[in-house]
Amino acid sequence: AQKITQTQPGMFVQEKEAVTLDCTYDTSDQSYGLFWYKQPSSGEMIFLIYQGSYDEQNATEGRYSLNFQKARKSANLVISASQLGDSAMYFCAMREGNFGNEKLTFGTGTRLTIIP
Amino acid sequence: DTEVTQTPKHLVMGMTNKKSLKCEQHMGHRAMYWYKQKAKKPPELMFVYSYEKLSINESVPSRFSPECPNSSLLNLHLHALQPEDSALYLCASSQEDFGGNIQYFGAGTRLSVL
Repeated sequence: AQKITQTQPGMFVQEKEAVTLDCTYDTSDQSYGLFWYKQPSSGEMIFLIYQGSYDEQNATEGRYSLNFQKARKSANLVISASQLGDSAMYFCAMREGNFGNEKLTFGTGTRLTIIP
Repeated sequence: DTEVTQTPKHLVMGMTNKKSLKCEQHMGHRAMYWYKQKAKKPPELMFVYSYEKLSINESVPSRFSPECPNSSLLNLHLHALQPEDSALYLCASSQEDFGGNIQYFGAGTRLSVL
């Protein structure tokens, strides 16, 4: 069974609009972490934002926020005021295990294209 | 500074060659990772090193041989690869903290096996 599900293979958004990228996850662990990474065509995986399973407040990092709904097992990424440079592949990922034995499992990704 | 440096950026090798990928970080991170990413797919974990010891091997074929000579350096030795091994190989590192043990990635090595 897939542990991380991203149901939007591709999205087109007008510049300056906000965009929400969906992510649902499945785990029986009580302690886990959820991450969003951006991968431009150059290939580098760029860390965007992190949410811990025990964090009660939604994480925010500049224009990025994570809408964490634990009961629904969802961790959607919200990008406010999108820019042309936001065009990239976006991966949701879940960390399970303890430090040194951690596994990061990625979803299939969403390709975001910002239209001028 | 969250820099992970991978060399080379591109590598073309024949099936009988032996080559190595290199990954370096100077952030004091004590865990390092190798991932393989095929085109249009998400990264998949291959190996995890913790405090210079191999802690996870995701059933990777023996033609891939990881090595961690010290806490800053991670190598991936390649031998007798197959064309299906062509992929982007990503290295990452992390440290244990209260901020999520975030894994920081390098830019990757694009490997083509002919």
